[in-house]
Amino acid sequence: DQQVKQNSPSLSVQEGRISILNCDYTNSMFDYFLWYKKYPAEGPTFLISISSIKDKNEDGRFTVFLNKSAKHLSLHIVPSQPGDSAVYFCAAISSGSARQLTFGSGTQLTVLP
Amino acid sequence: DSGVTQTPKHLITATGQRVTLRCSPRSGDLSVYWYQQSLDQGLQFLIQYYNGEERAKGNILERFSAQQFPDLHSELNLSSLELGDSALYFCASRVAGGPNYGYTFGSGTRLTVV
Repeated sequence: DQQVKQNSPSLSVQEGRISILNCDYTNSMFDYFLWYKKYPAEGPTFLISISSIKDKNEDGRFTVFLNKSAKHLSLHIVPSQPGDSAVYFCAAISSGSARQLTFGSGTQLTVLP
Repeated sequence: DSGVTQTPKHLITATGQRVTLRCSPRSGDLSVYWYQQSLDQGLQFLIQYYNGEERAKGNILERFSAQQFPDLHSELNLSSLELGDSALYFCASRVAGGPNYGYTFGSGTRLTVV
């Protein structure tokens, strides 16, 4: 049973436009959400996160929105740059756990010049 | 360089064989997590060690085992390998109380079972 879902395997966006990556979750015990970026032949690197007590967190060109009632979060990248082309993973941590990450299957973002 | 070192980077082996993947955590991190990423899948949590002791288990097969040594490096042992075990195996270390839960991932070991 997939508790974190990224339903779009891929997304192509023109340079300078907005990229919106989506993530849905089913486990109500998740209380912290993270986005990781992964280039080929590298491990995931942390990008941005949000606590379940917030609905928005912004860091430069990256903003994460959380809609708890819909169990949905999204990552907005504005403006998109070719260097943003990578696989983006949504991940969640539940309270009371060993703090292991539960990952979505990832979205391949391609930013076209 | 993330500070988490995984060796080897690539491994090709035959079905039925046994392999050992190694992970050296970032200096000072006591927790080590192992994740498996199969083709087009997300990373699946396998097992966690904290300061030498097993803390949590995820979807880890009985053919797989791990340990963390006194110097905090960890090894993931995969035995009786099957074609379906071909995957990327990532190790992550974590410092408790670190920002954003303090996870740092290694660059992974790509295992190919033929």
